Amino acid sequence: AQKVTQAQTEISVVEKEDVTLDCVYETRDTTYYLFWYKQPPSGELVFLIRRNSFDEQNEISGRYSWNFQKSTSSFNFTITASQVVDSAVYFCARDLGSQGNLIFGKGTKLSVKP
Amino acid sequence: DAGVIQSPRHEVTEMGQEVTLRCKPISGHDYLFWYRQTMMRGLELLIYFNNNVPIDDSGMPEDRFSAKMPNASFSTLKIQPSEPRDSAVYFCASSFAGTGLRQFFGPGTRLTVL
Repeated sequence: AQKVTQAQTEISVVEKEDVTLDCVYETRDTTYYLFWYKQPPSGELVFLIRRNSFDEQNEISGRYSWNFQKSTSSFNFTITASQVVDSAVYFCARDLGSQGNLIFGKGTKLSVKP
Repeated sequence: DAGVIQSPRHEVTEMGQEVTLRCKPISGHDYLFWYRQTMMRGLELLIYFNNNVPIDDSGMPEDRFSAKMPNASFSTLKIQPSEPRDSAVYFCASSFAGTGLRQFFGPGTRLTVL
């Protein structure tokens, strides 16, 4: 099976620290999509980003940035100057081809303490 | 625009009872997904539909689980008979090709089977 691995089960940081969440994926495809979702304590799943495998440029959105390294099959997520509101479980995912379904990693629980 | 709608939001039932979870996808979306989330197993895909047709139900745990999509705007996930180990949060999500496989999630149904 093509897996998505988030090796960090839980991370705890103090507010204003930078934190990187790791994501490693397996793939036999040349074209694929990668995703990050956030699940705050309220429980809903919030879409953060989608990345096409052809686009290896890093992306920055405010305090969030994503580092896509095709050579190492990694799609890491960095939060700069973390805030308490960033406390959530973060899921990395990839698609399984044109069928439309996604496979998710187990998630990383981030706790940001004041 | 309304997002994915799920009902009920919370369900508490006794072992052996039938449970029906409902989902209304975003209008125009042609993919619909049912997920189950537990602490032990994370986020698991149960089944997904494309244009109301089940495409992959390999994630359905056993015959006690069934899902239908009678039309483009409604789907149900039924558990009969329910067991305590079915206690979980069940998410419905929808997407269409234009979203680049991005899935929009509903708020989830928290099911507790006593």
